Amino acid sequence: AQTVTQSQPEMSVQEAETVTLSCTYDTSESNYYLFWYKQPPSRQMILVIRQEAYKQQNATENRFSVNFQKAAKSFSLKISDSQLGDTAMYFCAFWGAGNNRKLIWGLGTSLAVNP
Amino acid sequence: KAGVTQTPRYLIKTRGQQVTLSCSPISGHRSVSWYQQTPGQGLQFLFEYFSETQRNKGNFPGRFSGRQFSNSRSEMNVSTLELGDSALYLCASSLPGLAGLNEQFFGPGTRLTVL
Repeated sequence: AQTVTQSQPEMSVQEAETVTLSCTYDTSESNYYLFWYKQPPSRQMILVIRQEAYKQQNATENRFSVNFQKAAKSFSLKISDSQLGDTAMYFCAFWGAGNNRKLIWGLGTSLAVNP
Repeated sequence: KAGVTQTPRYLIKTRGQQVTLSCSPISGHRSVSWYQQTPGQGLQFLFEYFSETQRNKGNFPGRFSGRQFSNSRSEMNVSTLELGDSALYLCASSLPGLAGLNEQFFGPGTRLTVL
């Protein structure tokens, strides 16, 4: 069965600095999709970034970028120039056709951006 | 365009009772997925509905059920509530296609407390 592991339950970073959140996953599939979702305190979950496994180029969305290492089954999220509004829970999620086509989620990393 | 709405936002029930939660997706979204979010287990997939049919199901007991109406609104029902059912129940909608593959837009959730 596919699993997603986020090994950092909590992290903190100073405003304007860079932080990297880790995610590893386990799968036997060759084609799949990976996501980072953000859940701010008392606010709705939103998609941050998405990576398709067959694409070698790492996805980037403004200050958010990923380091996708397919062989190592690693999918980390880098947040540059951290802002107070980045304070949130961040969830890594995996989607593959073989896992009955449903999202498998990590337990999340709580990120605090300090002024 | 209005976002995903969920009602009620908060609910307190006692063991043995049943509860119905409602979700209205974004206009034009025909796929609705439900998740249970708890601190210990993270997000766990309950089920997904597409065009009034359950397309996918997670590993939850039969006490958890759902349905979708012709206007894509969805309800989930939990019967014979247990203390462990206390959680944030999230609904997410997405465009037609494979639910996990497309960006999911989440509602604010219904916080269920079982006493």
